[in-house]
Amino acid sequence: GENVEQHPSTLSVQEGDSAVIKCTYSDSASNYFPWYKQELGKGPQLIIDIRSNVGEKKDQRIAVTLNKTAKHFSLHITETQPEDSAVYFCAASGLPGGATNKLIFGTGTLLAVQP
Amino acid sequence: DTAVSQTPKYLVTQMGNDKSIKCEQNLGHDTMYWYKQDSKKFLKIMFSYNNKELIINETVPNRFSPKSPDKAHLNLHINSLELGDSAVYFCASSQGDTIYFGEGSWLTVV
Repeated sequence: GENVEQHPSTLSVQEGDSAVIKCTYSDSASNYFPWYKQELGKGPQLIIDIRSNVGEKKDQRIAVTLNKTAKHFSLHITETQPEDSAVYFCAASGLPGGATNKLIFGTGTLLAVQP
Repeated sequence: DTAVSQTPKYLVTQMGNDKSIKCEQNLGHDTMYWYKQDSKKFLKIMFSYNNKELIINETVPNRFSPKSPDKAHLNLHINSLELGDSAVYFCASSQGDTIYFGEGSWLTVV
């Protein structure tokens, strides 16, 4: 089955700097890669996703890149702000959407943005 | 309006008890899920339902029994609670790939 590894487990940056979180996956059939942000005491919230037919996607300060050959994808946050502090999860899914969609999550990255 | 809502948010109970967590989504999605997040923050799928039909059961002990009375509701009943069941349980729903999570139910078994 699919296995997703995520690094680093913790990341501390100064406000205004960039943050990069990297994930690798094992199943070459995976074709959907979302990123979730989880704030303390809350549920994971989707912040950006990418599908295998695209190499890069950007939404304001957040971007995700995908390298299908190397089976890795990354989250880039630019101009970090204290409110970006949270746990970030990557995930992968190889099945078409619907009830069989079994998202496999990475182990999470605790991002701390120091003011 | 909360898209995926689950109750209770916090639950403390003794070993051996039976408890339920309720979930409702108002997004009109066909698919609902239960995920478990352990003390190390690891998120893992437990069940998925599509239009009240069980689709995924990730080798969860029989003590866990999901029930979907309609496609907007997916409840989780847990029998004979054990210490190891302490975790955060997240309900979620989807239409297609994108999964939306509830705020979680913190279960502590003492």
